Amino acid sequence: DAKTTQPPSMDCAEGRAANLPCNHSTISGNEYVYWYRQIHSQGPQYIIHGLKNNETNEMASLIITEDRKSSTLILPHATLRDTAVYYCIVRPIQGAQKLVFGQGTRLTINP
Amino acid sequence: GAGVSQSPRYKVAKRGQDVALRCDPISGHVSLFWYQQALGQGPEFLTYFQNEAQLDKSGLPSDRFFAERPEGSVSTLKIQRTQQEDSAVYLCASVRDRPKYGYTFGSGTRLTVV
Repeated sequence: DAKTTQPPSMDCAEGRAANLPCNHSTISGNEYVYWYRQIHSQGPQYIIHGLKNNETNEMASLIITEDRKSSTLILPHATLRDTAVYYCIVRPIQGAQKLVFGQGTRLTINP
Repeated sequence: GAGVSQSPRYKVAKRGQDVALRCDPISGHVSLFWYQQALGQGPEFLTYFQNEAQLDKSGLPSDRFFAERPEGSVSTLKIQRTQQEDSAVYLCASVRDRPKYGYTFGSGTRLTVV
C-alpha cells in the first residue's frame, strides 16, 4: 500500500507557481521522499527526491517539513507542459527497492 | 540508447493468445522493474531483477505471467493465455543501484486483449 496521501486533483494558472502537497506521516528515518510525474501516454518521469533537507533542481523544488511528515513539490513557473499526474512516493534508502505508487495528483495548468 | 526502450509500443491480442513484451534498459543499469498500469490508476509493481536474478516476483498476478532477464540486460515479460483483465500499460524501469538516483521508465507497452 502507498504510504502517501495526495489530493486527487489541482489546477494552476500558467506562469504561476504550482504547489503540490503530500502527506507521509508514517515515514521512517531511513526513507526518502521521491516525486515523479506522468504525462499522458508516457512513463513516469523522475523529478526530485529528498531525505531531510529542502532540495532544488532545474525542474522543481522540494520542501520537507521539519518532522518529515509532509512535503510540498513546487513548480516555480508552471507551463502547459507541466500538466500531468504527480506522484509522491516514499522509498527506503538502502537498495534498489520497488516504488509503490498511489493515485497521485492530477495537475492541470490552465492558460 | 539514452533511455529505456520498450517494444512493441502497442499490442492487440485475442483472448487466449500468448504475448511477449520486451524491455531494453539503460546500459549499465543493474536493476530492472516491471509495472502494470490499468487505466486511470497508478503503476503497480510486478517484478524486479538485479542483473539476471529475479529477486522479487510478488506482484505477478497469476502464474500466467512470467518474466526473464537471462543475460542481465534485456528483459521479457510473457503473458500466457491472455485475458481481458490483462489489458493495461506495461512499464519497465531501470535504475543504478545507488539509491540516490531516480528510476528511468520506458514509455510502456499498451496491451489490449479483445
